[in-house]
Amino acid sequence: DIQMTQSPSTLSASVGDRVTITCRASQSISSWLAWYQQKPGKAPKLLIYKASSLEGGVPSRFSGSGSGTEFTLTITSLQSEDFATYYCQHYNSYPWTFGQGTKVEIK
Amino acid sequence: EVQLVESGGGLIQPGGSLRLSCAPSGFTVSSNYMSWVRQAPGKGLEWVSVIYSDGYTNYADSVKGRFTISRDNSKNTLYLQMNSLRAEDTAVYYCARTMLAVSGGRAFDIWGQGTMVSVSS
Repeated sequence: DIQMTQSPSTLSASVGDRVTITCRASQSISSWLAWYQQKPGKAPKLLIYKASSLEGGVPSRFSGSGSGTEFTLTITSLQSEDFATYYCQHYNSYPWTFGQGTKVEIK
Repeated sequence: EVQLVESGGGLIQPGGSLRLSCAPSGFTVSSNYMSWVRQAPGKGLEWVSVIYSDGYTNYADSVKGRFTISRDNSKNTLYLQMNSLRAEDTAVYYCARTMLAVSGGRAFDIWGQGTMVSVSS
């Protein structure tokens, strides 16, 4: 199975900060990586697919990059509504797996 | 509006069975790939199962042989039959439309609100 490792597990930031979350795959997954945002008590929401494609309706302050085994999610100018938990997920081969999550907290 | 609505969760004893349902609006289960993803209380996300439009299915090792994904095209509904339930199956179960390479590669683009399954005596 391909293991997905996110860092950091928790991130404290302020409104307006630039935030970067890293996701590493235990083997190459090409660009078959998605990023999701989840708020407490809610379903996850797709932000980025194929490593760098922005889902429709998602603000342009969100961006994704990377390929192979190293990926990043960047939020430029963090907004109050962005405080949430973020998950990466590969869909290169079965079983599909998620990272453990990164909680973005208010500093 | 495109959406998914799950139902069927509840409290069940270990060893018991439960069937979850997922009904979409705005699209059909028969022409899409559909998945189940679960989240144990306070934990991360775990993919459970997928069904392709051609009927192909795949499962996580943790549920293989105990869970069965299926659909009823006439009712436009996705199901997850869960047998031999264990305490570690306790989770919120989400259904999600799944868009792989052949359909744009947008992974899990539409999610339901989730239904809670609690396995306890």
